[in-house]
Amino acid sequence: AQKVTQAQTEISVVEKEDVTLDCVYETRDTTYYLFWYKQPPSGELVFLIRRNSFDEQNEISGRYSWNFQKSTSSFNFTITASQVVDSAVYFCALRDMNTGFQKLVFGTGTRLLVSP
Amino acid sequence: DTEVTQTPKHLVMGMTNKKSLKCEQHMGHRAMYWYKQKAKKPPELMFVYSYEKLSINESVPSRFSPECPNSSLLNLHLHALQPEDSALYLCASSQEGNLRDEQYFGPGTRLTVT
Repeated sequence: AQKVTQAQTEISVVEKEDVTLDCVYETRDTTYYLFWYKQPPSGELVFLIRRNSFDEQNEISGRYSWNFQKSTSSFNFTITASQVVDSAVYFCALRDMNTGFQKLVFGTGTRLLVSP
Repeated sequence: DTEVTQTPKHLVMGMTNKKSLKCEQHMGHRAMYWYKQKAKKPPELMFVYSYEKLSINESVPSRFSPECPNSSLLNLHLHALQPEDSALYLCASSQEGNLRDEQYFGPGTRLTVT
């Protein structure tokens, strides 16, 4: 069955520290997409990145970077030089053909707290 | 513009009330979604509309009734809710509802049922 595991429930760091949020997924499909979303205290989920199963290139966007490794079924997210505004809940999500192409399977989320 | 708007932001209703949540997007997206999110949990999919037709109903109780009057608008009609229905209700949209499409979420309506 499709599943996304975010084992870190909560992480606390001090500003300027680097932090990595882990995401491990399970799927039997060869074609699937992975997503990261950020949910600040205001409640809105903000789309961060999409990665398809055929593209294992890592991606960097400013202070954010993503490491996709099919061999370990992981799609980890690193924030470099964290800032207080990064405090939020981060969700990793999976979509594949088995779950129905319109359905996102979310992990349980990792709450990141960045203190000054 | 990647904006999805939702009204109201907050709603308190009694168990005998009838109310509606509204969601709007002007990105030309053809798929729209309702999610329910309880505290400290991930969002749970409730309904999906694709090209204004209901394509997914995740076995949601009939006291929740979705409606898609046009491609930009999505409503969720509420009637005879229970206190356990109190949650954040999130609306989202995506271009076509395809495998690769990212979903854009609104800020949500925080619902309290008394």
